[in-house]
Amino acid sequence: DAGITQSPRYKITETGRQVTLMCHQTWSHSYMFWYRQDLGHGLRLIYYSAAADITDKGEVPDGYVVSRSKTENFPLTLESATRSQTSVYFCASSWAGGRVSGYEQYFGPGTRLTVT
Amino acid sequence: AQSVSQHNHHVILSEAASLELGCNYSYGGTVNLFWYVQYPGQHLQLLLKYFSGDPLVKGIKGFEAEFIKSKFSFNLRKPSVQWSDTAEYFCAVNAGGGRDDKIIFGKGTRLHILP
Repeated sequence: DAGITQSPRYKITETGRQVTLMCHQTWSHSYMFWYRQDLGHGLRLIYYSAAADITDKGEVPDGYVVSRSKTENFPLTLESATRSQTSVYFCASSWAGGRVSGYEQYFGPGTRLTVT
Repeated sequence: AQSVSQHNHHVILSEAASLELGCNYSYGGTVNLFWYVQYPGQHLQLLLKYFSGDPLVKGIKGFEAEFIKSKFSFNLRKPSVQWSDTAEYFCAVNAGGGRDDKIIFGKGTRLHILP
């Protein structure tokens, strides 16, 4: 049972380059989420998706693009990477949105991205 | 807008000490509440959750949390910590019953247990 996986686990890129972080889950969860984790800021939601082809902005969406053509995949693209996007990125999934009976989110192992 | 405050950013305790980590949220309606833990080098895992019923919730590894609606609080407790509890702890809240599917996380509390 692979659960939820992220790739790559580590990435170094240059300012201005486009970078795509991949997230794949095997549970057929409806909801998927992207967070970034920064010291002093905790976890901040970038984008989330309620189902295939349905996405919505989170707290810090600027500079990021997402898509969800298939239920199991939720890639996050940095269109033109900036140093401020250096962070650890976590993908998560859940059966339903948090508002429904408190379903919890399951997190991937994270991608550590460094923008030079 | 929902928000979550964790009062302690960094806590250092000795083994066997009692632990209480504070969490307050700002939302007046029905809420779902969570505590997640992130052990060093690992991803976040659910520690416990509250969405209805008994306000005293028991989670894994001896942790518990009490939902006090009048205080908008969901503090995490453990009577006797172990060195293996060294981790970062995140409180999270969702406006259950509303249209919002997002879970808002606090900034986290780093817990360091001295052996």
